[in-house]
Amino acid sequence: KAGVTQTPRYLIKTRGQQVTLSCSPISGHRSVSWYQQTPGQGLQFLFEYFSETQRNKGNFPGRFSGRQFSNSRSEMNVSTLELGDSALYLCASSHRADTQYFGPGTRLTVL
Amino acid sequence: GESVGLHLPTLSVQEGDNSIINCAYSNSASDYFIWYKQESGKGPQFIIDIRSNMDKRQGQRVTVLLNKTVKHLSLQIAATQPGDSAVYFCAAASGGSYIPTFGRGTSLIVHP
Repeated sequence: KAGVTQTPRYLIKTRGQQVTLSCSPISGHRSVSWYQQTPGQGLQFLFEYFSETQRNKGNFPGRFSGRQFSNSRSEMNVSTLELGDSALYLCASSHRADTQYFGPGTRLTVL
Repeated sequence: GESVGLHLPTLSVQEGDNSIINCAYSNSASDYFIWYKQESGKGPQFIIDIRSNMDKRQGQRVTVLLNKTVKHLSLQIAATQPGDSAVYFCAAASGGSYIPTFGRGTSLIVHP
């Protein structure tokens, strides 16, 4: 079974721009979660989607948003990028409410 | 809220030794615990999990121990190999949401 895939793997943007990241979960998994990973803050939970509905949300500003499609694929969007948004963005999928399996991440660099 | 911490940011061992990575959590309501391994340039990889109704669980070369009294868990890796070199994260979740809070990670360095 194919794992979680994320595109693109690397991205360079400038301050003020916006970015959209994509995640395809493991086949059959309906829950998709997004995390931000930085050396200073570690792994921080952004939000979780289940059956196209946001089910949980972390403590991030409204510039961070996401959505999930009927095929369980998910996208997250960051608007008005700041330097501090540079991070590895990880997507994880799970079947219902159980173990999360992570993708390789998208490395975002904001200049 | 939950906080999860690891006792050592770095652990160096010799190939063939047993490794023990420790983790503490703060929320006594946490009932699901997971260990992940993250290699450079990759996402975290699930290693093993344990629920609060257990105090020990074994996998292939790995054992997780849970001590709910002191809110501590550990990951033991038997016969550590160079391929085990990575950052190890513990995570804790509660309330059936399975949205875990992650610790900061311990970097395991295995010397040949």
